[in-house]
Amino acid sequence: DGGITQSPKYLFRKEGQNVTLSCEQNLNHDAMYWYRQDPGQGLRLIYYSQIVNDFQKGDIAEGYSVSREKKESFPLTVTSAQKNPTAFYLCASSIDRGTGELFFGEGSRLTVL
Amino acid sequence: SQQGEEDPQALSIQEGENATMNCSYKTSINNLQWYRQNSGRGLVHLILIRSNEREKHSGRLRVTLDTSKKSSSLLITASRAADTASYFCATDPSSGSARQLTFGSGTQLTVLP
Repeated sequence: DGGITQSPKYLFRKEGQNVTLSCEQNLNHDAMYWYRQDPGQGLRLIYYSQIVNDFQKGDIAEGYSVSREKKESFPLTVTSAQKNPTAFYLCASSIDRGTGELFFGEGSRLTVL
Repeated sequence: SQQGEEDPQALSIQEGENATMNCSYKTSINNLQWYRQNSGRGLVHLILIRSNEREKHSGRLRVTLDTSKKSSSLLITASRAADTASYFCATDPSSGSARQLTFGSGTQLTVLP
């Protein structure tokens, strides 16, 4: 089945630690995205990538980093510089630069202990 | 920044009734999309309506768009308990250097059996 796979689904982190969330897609989509969702709120864009080896900051990029070395993969690192990292993180992809339908993964819930 | 804002924030109805959710936005758009999110899951695309369209149907879903009022509505007819979810509108702005979808904060729909 084609789709987007995020892992892990649940992740716990101690303060001061970096963690990396995985996102893999087999839809052959060019564009990939990372969103953050806080309880009862909408999605806020962290980073996006429209092509391999290129990515752009979204609205809330501070404290996060990404890479796009392969078309299929767009991992997100939550660094210790992110002051309030506890949230639900969603990865998405789209066929092109993102003005059409987005396909989402099932999300990763990060909790800072 | 969140351009789309849904109304109401929460809606509770009986099975078989119709559910109407509204979305207002601020700037000109190319298209507006509606997504559904079950609790703790990723978002699923429901329907896309372009700026030159006024109404669109998909199964039990009916979406309208009024660009003069910068608003859209999503109607779910003959609701079922399985329709219980959060519904988000997302707008694709027609201007700006980084055209990316902007999500609203969502409407939480509860359909009571």
